[in-house]
This record gives sequence, structure tokens and C-alpha cells, in this order.
Amino acid sequence: GAGVSQSPRYKVAKRGQDVALRCDPISGHVSLFWYQQALGQGPEFLTYFQNEAQLDKSGLPSDRFFAERPEGSVSTLKIQRTQQEDSAVYLCASSLKGLQPQHFGDGTRLSIL
Amino acid sequence: DQQVKQNSPSLSVQEGRISILNCDYTNSMFDYFLWYKKYPAEGPTFLISISSIKDKNEDGRFTVFLNKSAKHLSLHIVPSQPGDSAVYFCAASDVGGGSEKLVFGKGMKLTVNP
Repeated sequence: GAGVSQSPRYKVAKRGQDVALRCDPISGHVSLFWYQQALGQGPEFLTYFQNEAQLDKSGLPSDRFFAERPEGSVSTLKIQRTQQEDSAVYLCASSLKGLQPQHFGDGTRLSIL
Repeated sequence: DQQVKQNSPSLSVQEGRISILNCDYTNSMFDYFLWYKKYPAEGPTFLISISSIKDKNEDGRFTVFLNKSAKHLSLHIVPSQPGDSAVYFCAASDVGGGSEKLVFGKGMKLTVNP
């Protein structure tokens, strides 16, 4: 497709399990971003890649969160030993470099029981 | 410390009238501003953007105004249509400072009544 694709759309996991969320950016987009959105809030920045380089991971809440983009295209956000406070919608966005808008996927809704 | 603020949680307007959505920011280093529209269970959809070298940008029914001295921007939708009913987010970034990450406001729910 032409847009940003995220999978799965919904994920339910038990506390303590590891989860992996996938993002397929728009073809040719250099920059890829992960955001976390809690209910009733705006998206909050987690981490950012330019091609395969992770340029900013200042928004990752703890060392349980890890993101990669090994070939500069598809990205995976991994959360280890999930906790209830990790429940949120995780949004991925991609863009061309510079003063260009970010285009978002529909997100993965993560629920930790 | 919220750097981007949308102080009104909701707005209701009549179809055909103007909708004005406001946004304030505190970080004077922000140089790129965007508005997104979001429907339930979907990701934010890009609407319109403006860089800090401009004070106005127009795209069809949507116009964004930027007042740098007041650290304020607004989105005007004219005429408003029922399909415009959604949550609108204001976002900003410091691209010139080497950071493309977006800082979002909390959003504002717009309802356009037929």
C-alpha cells in the first residue's frame, strides 16, 4: 500500500511477556518515528531513525523498550517484561528528511493484562 | 512541562461556518508547525503545515496562521463540513536544531453540526 502499515493492529499480552510491534514505512521515506499515545492525550515521542541509524531515543521510557531498523526500512519496537503502564496505542510515522510532514500509520493498540 | 498547549478541549460549530482552532507553544526554538486530524481507531492524518519563516499558509478550506511573537498558531476551516468532525492535534518541531521529533498538544475535539 501507499501508506504507513503497522501490525498487529491489536495486541493483548500478560504482564511480564515480551511484545514486538512492526512498522512498514512509506517507500523511500528516510525518517521513521515511534510515538506512544495514552487515552485522551497527544502522541508522545519515543524514538527516531534516519535510515538505519537511531538518532534519538530520548523518549523511550525505560531500558525495557528497544527499537531497531536494521536495513533502513521496516522497524520493530520491542517491549520486554511488559507492565500495565505500557498499555497504550503505539504509532509509527515516516517522512522525507527535513521540513516535511510525518505520515502516520493506524497504530497498534497494546493492552497488558 | 507541556511545550504545546491546546487549551480548549472541544468546539462545536454549525455547518458552513468558520472553525477556529488555537494552539500555544512555549519553546521559541520550534520552527515547523503542523496540524493533524484524527478519527477514532485511525492514526493522525496530516492536514497542513507552516514553517517559522511564514505567517500564513493556505490549502483549500484550511488556513494556518502563525504569530511567532505571541507563540501562537491557529487553524481556520472555512466552510466547516460535518466530515470535519474529529480530534485535531497541533504539533511542533525544532528542525533547525537537528530534531525532527514532533511535540503534540493534547488535542481538541471539533464537532460540526449539520
